[in-house]
Amino acid sequence: KQEVTQIPAALSVPEGENLVLNCSFTDSAIYNLQWFRQDPGKGLTSLLLIQSSQREQTSGRLNASLDKSSGRSTLYIAASQPGDSATYLCAAVEGSARQLTFGSGTQLTVLP
Amino acid sequence: DTGVSQDPRHKITKRGQNVTFRCDPISEHNRLYWYRQTLGQGPEFLTYFQNEAQLEKSRLLSDRFSAERPKGSFSTLEIQRTEQGDSAMYLCASRQGGNEQFFGPGTRLTVL
Repeated sequence: KQEVTQIPAALSVPEGENLVLNCSFTDSAIYNLQWFRQDPGKGLTSLLLIQSSQREQTSGRLNASLDKSSGRSTLYIAASQPGDSATYLCAAVEGSARQLTFGSGTQLTVLP
Repeated sequence: DTGVSQDPRHKITKRGQNVTFRCDPISEHNRLYWYRQTLGQGPEFLTYFQNEAQLEKSRLLSDRFSAERPKGSFSTLEIQRTEQGDSAMYLCASRQGGNEQFFGPGTRLTVL
C-alpha cells in the first residue's frame, strides 16, 4: 500500500526566502506525481504535474523534481511571498484508475 | 471552461439523516473522482467513474455510501444514515485523457 509522507508538516519563513518542500513515497510504481496548493477551507489547485519519465517541471517561481528510484519529490519555491501562504500537498498518481494518494501536506506561512 | 463545481458548499445535518452531494465536472472530462478529506489530512480516494461506469471503489466507501453518474456527466454522492465520523470535506475531481486532475471547491459536511 502506497504511503506518501511530507516533511516538514509546517514551515514559517520570511518573505523573499527560497524554500524546499519534501515529499516521499514508498512504492515507486507510480505514473506521475502532482503538487497542489490548498487555501484554508477551499478545494485544491493543481500546481505542477511531473510525468514519470520526467525529472522536473517548472512553472513561474515553482520548480518540482521527481526521483522515482529513491521515492522522492521536491517542490522549490523561489522568492517566497505572503500570498504563497497555504498548505502544499503532493500526490502520487497510481492504479488503474490513476487515483491520487496524498501526503498530509506542508502548511507554509510566509511572513511579510 | 467553468471548472469543476460542487453543490452544496456546506451541509449541516443530524446524525441518521441522508445527504446527497452533486458534482459537475469540466464539460469535456469523461473521468470523475470523489475524495474525502478530514482536518489536517490529505484527501483520500473514494471512487472513480469513467463515463457512466463506476470502475473503482475504495474500501473507505462503506455500504452507506453510494455514488452515481447516470449519463456520464454530473455525479452524485449519497450518504445514508449519517454518522459523526462522516464529517469531512468531500471533494470531486475530473480529468480528460491526461493524468492531471482538477478539483472542485468541495462540500463541507458537518454531522451533529
